[in-house]
Amino acid sequence: DGGITQSPKYLFRKEGQNVTLSCEQNLNHDAMYWYRQDPGQGLRLIYYSQIVNDFQKGDIAEGYSVSREKKESFPLTVTSAQKNPTAFYLCATQGVLSYNEQFFGPGTRLTVL
Amino acid sequence: GQQLNQSPQSMFIQEGEDVSMNCTSSSIFNTWLWYKQDPGEGPVLLIALYKAGELTSNGRLTAQFGITRKDSFLNISASIPSDVGIYFCAGYTQTYNQGGKLIFGQGTELSVKP
Repeated sequence: DGGITQSPKYLFRKEGQNVTLSCEQNLNHDAMYWYRQDPGQGLRLIYYSQIVNDFQKGDIAEGYSVSREKKESFPLTVTSAQKNPTAFYLCATQGVLSYNEQFFGPGTRLTVL
Repeated sequence: GQQLNQSPQSMFIQEGEDVSMNCTSSSIFNTWLWYKQDPGEGPVLLIALYKAGELTSNGRLTAQFGITRKDSFLNISASIPSDVGIYFCAGYTQTYNQGGKLIFGQGTELSVKP
């Protein structure tokens, strides 16, 4: 079954704890992206990776970290330095033949208590 | 940074009515994409536009890439209850040394009354 998997769907954490969100894809896409979505706002780019072992900061990278050790995986860590971590997090991928089209996973809703 | 202004923010319409929404920017984009998002789910790509002036349809949906490359619109004809959701426009921009990325509008929330 091809696609993008994000787990878990819902995540609860206590304030001050780091938490890692998973994103896995079997589409063989080179580029992967992490977005944050808050009510009433569009998607904002956190980090992206065009190729394994390389990634760039997006518009709101502060308080987040990523790694890209495998083509299939692009985990996002929300650190305790992120002041407002409660949000809906979306992972997306883009292939070389996708003509700038990005495809999204189902998302993870993170709630920090 | 680059911004997209999407309007309207929300729409409440009767089933069977046509819908129109648009996005404008001060920046030029070489690709415009339109997505639909259902509550609690990831956005799904509806239509992609690659050339200024291009008009593309997908069933009851029609979208156009503005001739100035700074705007795009999406029309939905004869709306049905399952059209409910949030519609996002996105423009693709290419940076010199960091690849490409999408800039998203704030979304248009569509409600359809049966």
